[in-house]
Amino acid sequence: GIQVEQSPPDLILQEGANSTLRCNFSDSVNNLQWFHQNPWGQLINLFYIPSGTKQNGRLSATTVATERYSLLYISSSQTTDSGVYFCAVTGGSYIPTFGRGTSLIVHP
Amino acid sequence: DTEVTQTPKHLVMGMTNKKSLKCEQHMGHRAMYWYKQKAKKPPELMFVYSYEKLSINESVPSRFSPECPNSSLLNLHLHALQPEDSALYLCASSQDQGNVYEQYFGPGTRLTVT
Repeated sequence: GIQVEQSPPDLILQEGANSTLRCNFSDSVNNLQWFHQNPWGQLINLFYIPSGTKQNGRLSATTVATERYSLLYISSSQTTDSGVYFCAVTGGSYIPTFGRGTSLIVHP
Repeated sequence: DTEVTQTPKHLVMGMTNKKSLKCEQHMGHRAMYWYKQKAKKPPELMFVYSYEKLSINESVPSRFSPECPNSSLLNLHLHALQPEDSALYLCASSQDQGNVYEQYFGPGTRLTVT
């Protein structure tokens, strides 16, 4: 199956800082999503982005499918951004695969 | 409305009990998924139903039995579980499985097996 690697595994920021999270995948994908998992376990959809660039407020994402990576940008971090960020991909087998996530802590 | 609901939120059961987890969506989605997530790990796919038929079973032990009574409902029947089955169980749905569609997740059921 497809291998998904996320980096960095852990990130600690001060409020107001910017950050970039990376997702590398080992094969071509039909589907790529970024999620934020809050402390209560809810997975919140951030972006559905198999290719191209999207922006939503302080968050933006870019997927370069030909080079098999995606980036999630968080600007002007807030404490509510804390949690785990997952990248999930689906390839030709249509089996969704998650990366191991990036754990983000934003201090006030 | 992009809501997937799951009940119960929390469940504690003994190893000899039989219980069921329920998941519901009203978005007209035709693919529904069960995932298991252990602490500090990513969600792991267990089952996929597509058009109410089981299409993927990721070698899950038979003590977990999925059921899709109709296109809006997905159940997970639990029997003779082990303590290592304690985890967050997440349900998701998408418009379809065989193409490029966005998944939406429910809030999960936290299961503790004693």
